[in-house]
Amino acid sequence: DAGITQSPRYKITETGRQVTLMCHQTWSHSYMFWYRQDLGHGLRLIYYSAAADITDKGEVPDGYVVSRSKTENFPLTLESATRSQTSVYFCASSSPGTGTIQYFGAGTRLSVL
Amino acid sequence: LAKTTQPISMDSYEGQEVNITCSHNNIATNDYITWYQQFPSQGPRFIIQGYKTKVTNEVASLFIPADRKSSTLSLPRVSLSDTAVYYCLVGDLGTASKLTFGTGTRLQVTL
Repeated sequence: DAGITQSPRYKITETGRQVTLMCHQTWSHSYMFWYRQDLGHGLRLIYYSAAADITDKGEVPDGYVVSRSKTENFPLTLESATRSQTSVYFCASSSPGTGTIQYFGAGTRLSVL
Repeated sequence: LAKTTQPISMDSYEGQEVNITCSHNNIATNDYITWYQQFPSQGPRFIIQGYKTKVTNEVASLFIPADRKSSTLSLPRVSLSDTAVYYCLVGDLGTASKLTFGTGTRLQVTL
């Protein structure tokens, strides 16, 4: 399907495990973003990428790793999950010249036990 | 960092016009003002974007005063399906590391 898809939609893991959340977009947008959404905090930017092989930190990058070897994919890895990383994670994409119009995926709800 | 402030919640009756204001006192010259709508268990959805003055599309209007330190999203004749959380985002892709959504405004529409 066209658009932006995230997988898995739901994930339960244990403290200390490595977890990778996937994000795939079919629009060839150069910008991609990862946000986390927690009660009382709105959406906070974790990492973003301006193009393949170009990534940069957002507001809350600690404990996360990203890569972008292909334009369409932007995986987010929690190298050693902690309970504080229990959250809903959203991936988004955007094109330059469109201001800050972003297109979001449906989200991944992650629980770290 | 263009921090935004919005009311936490608003209530409206169906058929009324709803205005949600966002305060962004330290908006930068290149920053856009973009509004999103979010339903439960879904990602945010783009509604409208502006830079200055007034912008209107098929679902909403966005009013931006000359000093750009605030903006108002106007939803004409809301329906029950407009019950959602509305977010104001101020920023620019050129400084994407600073993109931060506020805590949003929860709009409840009733009959």
